[in-house]
Amino acid sequence: ELKVEQNPLFLSMQEGKNYTIYCNYSTTSDRLYWYRQDPGKSLESLFVLLSNGAVKQEGRLMASLDTKARLSTLHITAAVHDLSATYFCAVANPNSGGYQKVTFGTGTKLQVIP
Amino acid sequence: AAGVIQSPRHLIKEKRETATLKCYPIPRHDTVYWYQQGPGQDPQFLISFYEKMQSDKGSIPDRFSAQQFSDYHSELNMSSLELGDSALYFCASSLGPADEKLFFGSGTQLSVL
Repeated sequence: ELKVEQNPLFLSMQEGKNYTIYCNYSTTSDRLYWYRQDPGKSLESLFVLLSNGAVKQEGRLMASLDTKARLSTLHITAAVHDLSATYFCAVANPNSGGYQKVTFGTGTKLQVIP
Repeated sequence: AAGVIQSPRHLIKEKRETATLKCYPIPRHDTVYWYQQGPGQDPQFLISFYEKMQSDKGSIPDRFSAQQFSDYHSELNMSSLELGDSALYFCASSLGPADEKLFFGSGTQLSVL
């Protein structure tokens, strides 16, 4: 059974600081997603990582994937208040007939303090 | 651009009642997924459909059933509702089961009293 763990679960950081969220998963997979969710809102797709060593950047967020270590990171650079949200990683189930049956991590609730 | 549309946005039911949630995928998307997210929880996969056929099944209770219709919209039917069914139910769609992008709807917030 695929298990996905994120840490930290909660993160309070000051504006302007850098931090990294980690996502570990238990079985081989070649597809990993990062989503953002605001309270009571839907899931917004941030990144799709498809191969070992993949790195993608959008604004102050950068995601990377190490399939050998079964680890993905979401790095936040110079955080701003607007980044406050819950961030989920999700890993495609390798045994599924479709890549979109994903298992979500526990989520990291990020609070950026002005 | 058109997005995934879910209805209703909010739904309040009592125990043992039934509920039907609807999902209209993005035009041309033939694959639909249902996820359940309890308060403070991560989303859990329930069931998916590809070309009107069930393609995968997750932790969906026997009290729930779903189908995808000829116009690719999907409905999640929930019977004998329990307090624990209170959650945010997301529908997502993609252009085929192997497509990279998964687009989520705004969700239906179900409250069972």
